Amino acid sequence: DAGITQSPRHKVTETGTPVTLRCHQTENHRYMYWYRQDPGHGLRLIHYSYGVKDTDKGEVSDGYSVSRSKTEDFLLTLESATSSQTSVYFCAISATSGRSNEQFFGPGTRLTVL
Amino acid sequence: SQQGEEDPQALSIQEGENATMNCSYKTSINNLQWYRQNSGRGLVHLILIRSNEREKHSGRLRVTLDTSKKSSSLLITASRAADTASYFCATARDNAGNMLTFGGGTRLMVKP
Repeated sequence: DAGITQSPRHKVTETGTPVTLRCHQTENHRYMYWYRQDPGHGLRLIHYSYGVKDTDKGEVSDGYSVSRSKTEDFLLTLESATSSQTSVYFCAISATSGRSNEQFFGPGTRLTVL
Repeated sequence: SQQGEEDPQALSIQEGENATMNCSYKTSINNLQWYRQNSGRGLVHLILIRSNEREKHSGRLRVTLDTSKKSSSLLITASRAADTASYFCATARDNAGNMLTFGGGTRLMVKP
């Protein structure tokens, strides 16, 4: 998976608790993305980063925050998890802008919010 | 609604047959990309076609793009059981910065 790891791979948590998902890359790529995948919706972009400390919102950013303090790590935080955030979360990276080049995806994190 | 909509949602064929999947989109694009996802795995990039291109080939894959109809098709020739996966189109819109917008995908099953 192109030097991308996600942790944890599976998590079950309760409504109202904070959750942080980690994406780690060894490719030194500039761009990093967080998506969620739900049946019938394909992948939807949550947030992305175009450099250390540079992030921007995607189409479904409400309830999520991100941080990137190092090139290799991109963290996704659910401030107060809700059942609607039960999903599979994928991290992706690209060397140049992901709109003009391919994105490489991590293995995913399956999150269940009870 | 999604920028990219794949059709059909599911497709079942025999090994050796060709598989065609279609993608329609609504706004102007810079490029369109196709990805494959095996069950329980992340997506893998297959091919990118730019808005000024009409057709592109990669091995057994052939992608066409018709910007006048805002549609693209992915053809897999001589399919194999290993081609069983979900296939997604993703569009890079001119006014959407770095973002790709993915469709809902086509689930392809190739029976041996």
